[in-house]
Formats: sequence, structure tokens, C-alpha cells
Amino acid sequence: IAGITQAPTSQILAAGRRMTLRCTQDMRHNAMYWYRQDLGLGLRLIHYSNTAGTTGKGEVPDGYSVSRANTDDFPLTLASAVPSQTSVYFCASSSDAAGGHGDEQFFGPGTRLTVL
Amino acid sequence: GQNIDQPTEMTATEGAIVQINCTYQTSGFNGLFWYQQHAGEAPTFLSYNVLDGLEEKGRFSSFLSRSKGYSYLLLKELQMKDSASYLCAAMDSNYQLIWGAGTKLIIKP
Repeated sequence: IAGITQAPTSQILAAGRRMTLRCTQDMRHNAMYWYRQDLGLGLRLIHYSNTAGTTGKGEVPDGYSVSRANTDDFPLTLASAVPSQTSVYFCASSSDAAGGHGDEQFFGPGTRLTVL
Repeated sequence: GQNIDQPTEMTATEGAIVQINCTYQTSGFNGLFWYQQHAGEAPTFLSYNVLDGLEEKGRFSSFLSRSKGYSYLLLKELQMKDSASYLCAAMDSNYQLIWGAGTKLIIKP
């Protein structure tokens, strides 16, 4: 099934624990993104990757890390979770990071994370 | 700084027309996107504008004025399934999307 998947769907995590959110796409897209979505705020970019082997920081990168070892996978790690990281996390991908061509971003179903 | 403004909530009647406005300020500009997001679901792409003017796609149309930093999404013949949040996003000079907080559209019978 073509698309983008995320795991887990939801998670409750104790503060201070380490957590990795998984994201996989099978569309052979070059660019991938991690966003968080909080009530009353727009989607905020955490990290991005324009192509396999490269990553970059977005608007709110602190407390998060990513890797892009291959085209398909783009995991997001919270090294030591804090309550302010409670949010809905969306992974997205697009065929080309240079969206001047109007390349839409395709979103995964999201991970709802609660840090207590 | 970079900023996207859109109304928090709008209400419309089934079968009517509604216009959702968006103003943007970004460092550089590489296009304006509209996405639809149903409650508890992921955003899905609706439209993209990079040149001034109106783009029509079925019941949905999107307009852009680059000189005014303004866009709108026009929804015609509203259906109950159109109840959702509509997200405006502008692409900056680094090809990153700057997102508005979304407009929650409530459709009443």
C-alpha cells in the first residue's frame, strides 16, 4: 500500500524516558519532515531531510534528533522526554524539497504523544 | 518575522458558499498551499498557487495576490463532509512551509 506510515499511533510516556517515533514512506520521496501540532498553533517544523543522508533543523528542534539512513525511513527521537513535548506528531514527505514546483507534502496519520 | 493569519473559526450553511481568508508574511515566497484536516486525521492537500489569480478545482477554488500577501479558499455548494479545519501555508525562500493555525469550518444543515 503506497503511502506514509507512523508508529506508534499513540503513546503515554514518563518524563525523562527516551522515545523514538517511526516514520516510513514507500513513495521514493526525497524529502521528509517532522512536525508537531498543538491546539491553537500551526504545524511547526521540528526537523527535515532533503535527501537520504542529510538532515536539517526546523523551527523547534530542541530536545529532538533525527536520522535519515535511507530514503524510506525517518525516525524522530526524544532523548529525554519532557511534558512540553506532549503533542501530536506528524511525519510528511514530498518528492522534491524545492517545492517551488508545488510538490505537495503527504502526511502520515500522526502519533499522539503524552508525556507525564 | 514570518507569520500566517487566518480566522480561527467560521460557520456556514449546507449548500452555501464560504470564503476563508489568509494573509502571510514570509522571508521570500515560493507559493501558497491550502490543506484540509478533519478532526483527528492528517492534513491533506487541496491547492497550490504561486502566480496571482484564481485556480479552480471542482467545488474548491484558491486565489492569490502576491503584492498583497493574501490568499483565499472558496468552497462552493457546501456539504456536511466539508466540516474540517483548513490550513493555509506559505513556502519561504528556504522552501519550508510556514503554517497558519487553521480555520475550523462548521457546516450547519
